[in-house]
Amino acid sequence: AQSVSQHNHHVILSEAASLELGCNYSYGGTVNLFWYVQYPGQHLQLLLKYFSGDPLVKGIKGFEAEFIKSKFSFNLRKPSVQWSDTAEYFCAVIPYNTDKLIFGTGTRLQVFP
Amino acid sequence: GAGVSQSPSNKVTEKGKDVELRCDPISGHTALYWYRQSLGQGLEFLIYFQGNSAPDKSGLPSDRFSAERTGGSVSTLTIQRTQQEDSAVYLCASSLGDRDYNEQFFGPGTRLTVL
Repeated sequence: AQSVSQHNHHVILSEAASLELGCNYSYGGTVNLFWYVQYPGQHLQLLLKYFSGDPLVKGIKGFEAEFIKSKFSFNLRKPSVQWSDTAEYFCAVIPYNTDKLIFGTGTRLQVFP
Repeated sequence: GAGVSQSPSNKVTEKGKDVELRCDPISGHTALYWYRQSLGQGLEFLIYFQGNSAPDKSGLPSDRFSAERTGGSVSTLTIQRTQQEDSAVYLCASSLGDRDYNEQFFGPGTRLTVL
């Protein structure tokens, strides 16, 4: 079955630390890839997306992600986190022949000042 | 409207009662999705509507769950004879329905608590 794995369930960082959240998916064909963020008390928002083209995509708030097809990965990065980045982060894929998002289990990020 | 809206924002019900959850998608979006976010299961797909096509119901967990979309816009998710394990946040999303650009926009969700 198609699945998305997020290996980091809970990450705790100090402000200005660098962040990398792992995401791997199991699907051999073309996929569209997404990272969503859910800030405390708020609804899911799109952080960034990859459909085609440059595998390094940049999103809002200084986040970026790199699609590595050979590794079936789409890791999220930020060079210097802020307290306001405290949130839950979800990786998701849409296999090209379907229309439904398959989500990872999420990574809870806590950033301390 | 500016975004996807859902109502009610919170719903508390007793076990065995039926509930209806409503979703208003973004105007012009032809695709509408329901997801469920629960502690034990994470975010899981429930059902998907695209235009006038038959809905993809492959994610509905049981026959107590059903959904309809009237006039290609508003959708209602109905849960009959609610059980405690139905407690979750029910999320609705909509998109343009273009497979080459299928970014989904999420609503704030309905938090369902079954006592």
